[in-house]
Amino acid sequence: GQQLNQSPQSMFIQEGEDVSMNCTSSSIFNTWLWYKQDPGEGPVLLIALYKAGELTSNGRLTAQFGITRKDSFLNISASIPSDVGIYFCVGPNQAGTALIFGKGTTLSVSS
Amino acid sequence: GAVVSQHPSWVICKSGTSVKIECRSLDFQATTMFWYRQFPKQSLMLMATSNEGSKATYEQGVEKDKFLINHASLTLSTLTVTSAHPEDSSFYICSARWNYGYTFGSGTRLTVV
Repeated sequence: GQQLNQSPQSMFIQEGEDVSMNCTSSSIFNTWLWYKQDPGEGPVLLIALYKAGELTSNGRLTAQFGITRKDSFLNISASIPSDVGIYFCVGPNQAGTALIFGKGTTLSVSS
Repeated sequence: GAVVSQHPSWVICKSGTSVKIECRSLDFQATTMFWYRQFPKQSLMLMATSNEGSKATYEQGVEKDKFLINHASLTLSTLTVTSAHPEDSSFYICSARWNYGYTFGSGTRLTVV
């Protein structure tokens, strides 16, 4: 079945550092979404990508939809303590009826 | 816009009892809602798709008789965990599809003792 493979699994960084994480799949996706989950909360949409090669920013966050449509990356610049959480890459399932989640990248930021 | 409210945010129940979790779309009508389960330090796993006025579609391996889903109105879907056991303890999250994508509830922490 479809799988979204995220790396790294976890990251420990200092406040102010830039962060990069990525997501790959053996299947082609037509949509890539990046969500963030704070502890004990539901996930919140950060960035949505709909076109191969698309590069989209949301404040300090930038995400790209890979040309092959099998990968995407998310960059966070100048990290701050509130960036702590789990970042998920998400895409539609094969039927296009629901969303499936990658395993997530857990980000820890020390000040 | 596109707010989904989930209730309760946490619940503790005794083994063998049933628990109902509600998911409401507050400012839009949701013909389709989704239920996910998340174990500690793991990802969200889709359990079922709930369609207003019809039966839910369950993912492979999810027991439909144990996880009863009802979507009787355009703003409310409920998940009932029947005869709960400690292994059902998890974080349950609902989601709804609206015009511009998907929005998620804040989750329900279920602990079965």
